[in-house]
Amino acid sequence: GQNIDQPTEMTATEGAIVQINCTYQTSGFNGLFWYQQHAGEAPTFLSYNVLDGLEEKGRFSSFLSRSKGYSYLLLKELQMKDSASYLCAVRDSNYQLIWGAGTKLIIKP
Amino acid sequence: IAGITQAPTSQILAAGRRMTLRCTQDMRHNAMYWYRQDLGLGLRLIHYSNTAGTTGKGEVPDGYSVSRANTDDFPLTLASAVPSQTSVYFCASSERGATDTQYFGPGTRLTVL
Repeated sequence: GQNIDQPTEMTATEGAIVQINCTYQTSGFNGLFWYQQHAGEAPTFLSYNVLDGLEEKGRFSSFLSRSKGYSYLLLKELQMKDSASYLCAVRDSNYQLIWGAGTKLIIKP
Repeated sequence: IAGITQAPTSQILAAGRRMTLRCTQDMRHNAMYWYRQDLGLGLRLIHYSNTAGTTGKGEVPDGYSVSRANTDDFPLTLASAVPSQTSVYFCASSERGATDTQYFGPGTRLTVL
C-alpha cells in the first residue's frame, strides 16, 4: 500500500528553527508537495520538489531524497503565525496526490 | 479575485437526506478535485475532473457523485447521507491537470446526524 509518514505534533520556540520530516512509500513518484494549513482554513501551497536537493523560498526550505523516500520542511526564524499544520503529499505514478495526516506545529513565545 | 468558492460553509444534515456541495472557480483551471479531511487522516480524494465533461473516481468515491458541465463548477452530491460522511470537504483546482499544483477552496464542514 501507499504510505506517507509525518510526526503528529511538534513544538518549537519563536525565533528558532524547526525541521518537519516526511517519509513515503508510494507506487511511483512524480513530485512531493508541502502545504500549510491553519486551523479551520484551507491548505495553501508552500513548496514542490521533484529532483533531489534543497529548494529555498524565504524562511522556508524543502529537501528531497528520492532514494531514501524522504523529505523535510525547514522553517527558520519561526513566527507565531507559523503555528499551523504542515501537510506532505506525494504524486504517485497515476499523478494522484497521496497525503500524509499532517504535522501540527505549535510555536511558543 | 475570488479563486475557489465553496458553499455552504457548514451544514448539519439528517441521515438519509440528499445534499449538494457547491464549488466554483474563476481561474479557468481545467482540473478540479473533491477531497474529504478527517481528523488523524490525510486528505482523501473523492472524485476528480481533468476537464469539463469528464470525471473520475478517487480513493473514496462510494456514496458521492459529481458532474462537470462547465469549466467553473464542480458540484459534489451525497445522494443519501450517512453519519460516516461527516467530514470537512475541500474542493481544489489545478491549471492544466494532474501535473500542476492544486489550489484549495475554503472548505465545507458537514455533519450528518
